[in-house]
Amino acid sequence: NAGVTQTPKFQVLKTGQSMTLQCAQDMNHEYMSWYRQDPGMGLRLIHYSVGAGITDQGEVPNGYNVSRSTTEDFPLRLLSAAPSQTSVYFCASSYGGLPNYGYTFGSGTRLTVV
Amino acid sequence: GNSVTQMEGPVTLSEEAFLTINCTYTATGYPSLFWYVQYPGEGLQLLLKATKADDKGSNKGFEATYRKETTSFHLEKGSVQVSDSAVYFCALSDNASGGGADGLTFGKGTHLIIQP
Repeated sequence: NAGVTQTPKFQVLKTGQSMTLQCAQDMNHEYMSWYRQDPGMGLRLIHYSVGAGITDQGEVPNGYNVSRSTTEDFPLRLLSAAPSQTSVYFCASSYGGLPNYGYTFGSGTRLTVV
Repeated sequence: GNSVTQMEGPVTLSEEAFLTINCTYTATGYPSLFWYVQYPGEGLQLLLKATKADDKGSNKGFEATYRKETTSFHLEKGSVQVSDSAVYFCALSDNASGGGADGLTFGKGTHLIIQP
């Protein structure tokens, strides 16, 4: 039972570089989302999706793009990395299309932008 | 807007001590409430939840009761173990906003350290 799989686990980028953080789930969850975790800030929602072909912005969407072409995958793209995007990124999914059922989180991607 | 306030810690206790981590919230609708736990180097795991007033969520010896009158969802455990050392997050999902599809609102997390 894989659950939510995030790759890579660690990444170092130079300012201005672009990259994609991968997220895949095998639980047929409709709802998927991306959070960033910063010290003293808790988790903040970047983007979310309630199903294939549907995405929307969360609290801190600037500098990030998402797409949802399949139920299983929800990649997060950094268009031009900035040091302020240094963070730990978590992907989460939920059964039934609603977070009320509780989220399943991936193990995170630790990103450093230098 | 929605918000969750919890003590940040670190909270340091001895093994077998009683644990309380306070959590209060502000929400525009009728939220569902959650506690998540994050062990070192791992993602968050759902610990327990409550979806309506006076509900009690429980799991692994932890309990929390949804108190609408005090807008609180305090986490308790009668006897903590070293293995309970982790960061604990209180969170809410606001059912007023289309079923909460715009995600969970998290507190900043409480770092719990249990000493043998």
